[in-house]
Amino acid sequence: NAGVTQTPKFQVLKTGQSMTLQCAQDMNHEYMSWYRQDPGMGLRLIHYSVGAGITDQGEVPNGYNVSRSTTEDFPLRLLSAAPSQTSVYFCASSTGTGAYEQYFGPGTRLTVT
Amino acid sequence: RKEVEQDPGPFNVPEGATVAFNCTYSNSASQSFFWYRQDCRKEPKLLMSVYSSGNEDGRFTAQLNRASQYISLLIRDSKLSDSATYLCVVNEFNKFYFGSGTKLNVKP
Repeated sequence: NAGVTQTPKFQVLKTGQSMTLQCAQDMNHEYMSWYRQDPGMGLRLIHYSVGAGITDQGEVPNGYNVSRSTTEDFPLRLLSAAPSQTSVYFCASSTGTGAYEQYFGPGTRLTVT
Repeated sequence: RKEVEQDPGPFNVPEGATVAFNCTYSNSASQSFFWYRQDCRKEPKLLMSVYSSGNEDGRFTAQLNRASQYISLLIRDSKLSDSATYLCVVNEFNKFYFGSGTKLNVKP
């Protein structure tokens, strides 16, 4: 099993550009989520999904869109990049919520200039 | 107010020391509790779940106090390899909230 994979590993965008961060898992997990991590701060939940076709907002959803058309994939779209979106983005998956372990991808380091 | 609060540290301890971290959470309806470990510039990985009765995994002991809304992690006989940032995580329904982490440096 590859676990949770994320692409790209690094990305530099100009203000106003859009892009999609890819996330895939091969563990047949129902729950998937996106976080951002800024220096000195914990991970903050952007969006999450409890199954294919179902998504919902987390703590910091503004400026981001998600969709979940398959169990395996959960892409994160930046609509119009802003310098405030410079961060490390982690995707995670788990069997469910509650007392289940979350497995994280290696992260995408995004810089918006 | 933050959902989960932790002392950022760093805690600088010698090998073999015992060190304890605490974490407080704001929502009494929180359902599940965890400690994750994050190495520099890497993804977080589960260290252990935290149960109301307290639980132990080798040198690591976690405690939950629901009445006071805090979670603790005790590391005994610290190893150099324990150097990392420890993240307190709380689950509320479908959402997970992370503390900002406590940095531990174990020195020879």
